[in-house]
Amino acid sequence: DAGITQSPRYKITETGRQVTLMCHQTWSHSYMFWYRQDLGHGLRLIYYSAAADITDKGEVPDGYVVSRSKTENFPLTLESATRSQTSVYFCATGTSDYNEQFFGPGTRLTVL
Amino acid sequence: AQSVTQLGSHVSVSEGALVLLRCNYSSSVPPYLFWYVQYPNQGLQLLLKYTTGATLVKGINGFEAEFKKSETSFHLTKPSAHMSDAAEYFCAVSDLNQAGTALIFGKGTTLSVSS
Repeated sequence: DAGITQSPRYKITETGRQVTLMCHQTWSHSYMFWYRQDLGHGLRLIYYSAAADITDKGEVPDGYVVSRSKTENFPLTLESATRSQTSVYFCATGTSDYNEQFFGPGTRLTVL
Repeated sequence: AQSVTQLGSHVSVSEGALVLLRCNYSSSVPPYLFWYVQYPNQGLQLLLKYTTGATLVKGINGFEAEFKKSETSFHLTKPSAHMSDAAEYFCAVSDLNQAGTALIFGKGTTLSVSS
């Protein structure tokens, strides 16, 4: 049982390119989240989803797009990557039970 | 709005010493509180959580935390540090009344353990 997986684990891209980070879960949790982790900022929420076809912005959504056509997948797209989007991206799933969240292994993205 | 403050971005202890990582929160309603640990190049793993009931909660790897409403604190402790405890620790808060809402994280505390 893989739980939650993210791909790719590492990605190097160039400014202006489109990049999609994938997140897949096998638990059928309703809620899914994308965070970015930056030194000195901890984790900041980019987007979240309460169910398929329901998404909402978090604290730092600019420059990102999400979709959720199936419960198990929650891709994050950087439409035109910028250097400021160099970060480690974590996908998480959650249930309504106490709002506990379960994290994927992360994707380290470098934008040159 | 909810917020979390972790006092000390870096804590260093000797092996066998007490570990104390501080977390204070701000919330207008009773919160859910969490501590997560992150080992290098890995995702976050739940150490423990406070939801309701007993204010002293025990987690994995010998860690525990006490919810003190009057002090708005949720400090993490471990009586005796091991080398394997070296990692980054995050405190997080969630609104008890809103199911499925995202967690608000502190900026993290890096724990170093020396032999």
